[in-house]
Amino acid sequence: NAGVMQNPRHLVRRRGQEARLRCSPMKGHSHVYWYRQLPEEGLKFMVYLQKENIIDESGMPKERFSAEFPKEGPSILRIQQVVRGDSAAYFCASSPNTGVEQYFGPGTRLTVT
Amino acid sequence: DAKTTQPPSMDCAEGTAANLPCNHSTISGNEYVYWYRQIHSQGPQYIIHGLKNNETNEMASLIITEDRKSSTLILPHATLRDTAVYYCIVRGQAGTALIFGKGTTLSVSS
Repeated sequence: NAGVMQNPRHLVRRRGQEARLRCSPMKGHSHVYWYRQLPEEGLKFMVYLQKENIIDESGMPKERFSAEFPKEGPSILRIQQVVRGDSAAYFCASSPNTGVEQYFGPGTRLTVT
Repeated sequence: DAKTTQPPSMDCAEGTAANLPCNHSTISGNEYVYWYRQIHSQGPQYIIHGLKNNETNEMASLIITEDRKSSTLILPHATLRDTAVYYCIVRGQAGTALIFGKGTTLSVSS
């Protein structure tokens, strides 16, 4: 049973470009969570989605960031007009239900130049 | 979700038991204690969780005090590969986000 998959593993973008990060949850998991880890800091929750629905986006910046989890395909975290402060590791986690353990992917390391 | 307090760092000799403490004095009755670890810059790895009974799996044991205000994660035979940051998280049954604190950096040496 494959674990949570994220791609790309490393992404370099220039300031002002768009970044798209993909997350494929574990088989049978319909709940996806995105977290961000800034350099030398802890993990911070961003957004929680179920298929086609955003359940909790309380940790997501109000501007430039969006997330989706379509009926078919991976969850996408989209960052428009990236700035240097967006450079971080972005982790996706999945779970079969709410309130149970979450399983994390290997992360996408975004570098904004 | 209740706040947790962990020591910033601990050392352990390879082959011995690592006992990582966590205080969660404001935990409420329906909140679980979860443990995750992050090895270097990898994605966090789920270890174990419990409500009030002690729990054991292939990775570790979780001992929760009777008043549930503290707990201890036990790695029975630590190896060099157990060197990581260990996070103790308290979370309600209906909780969604995991709230990560600073955790405990465990260093296992030979």
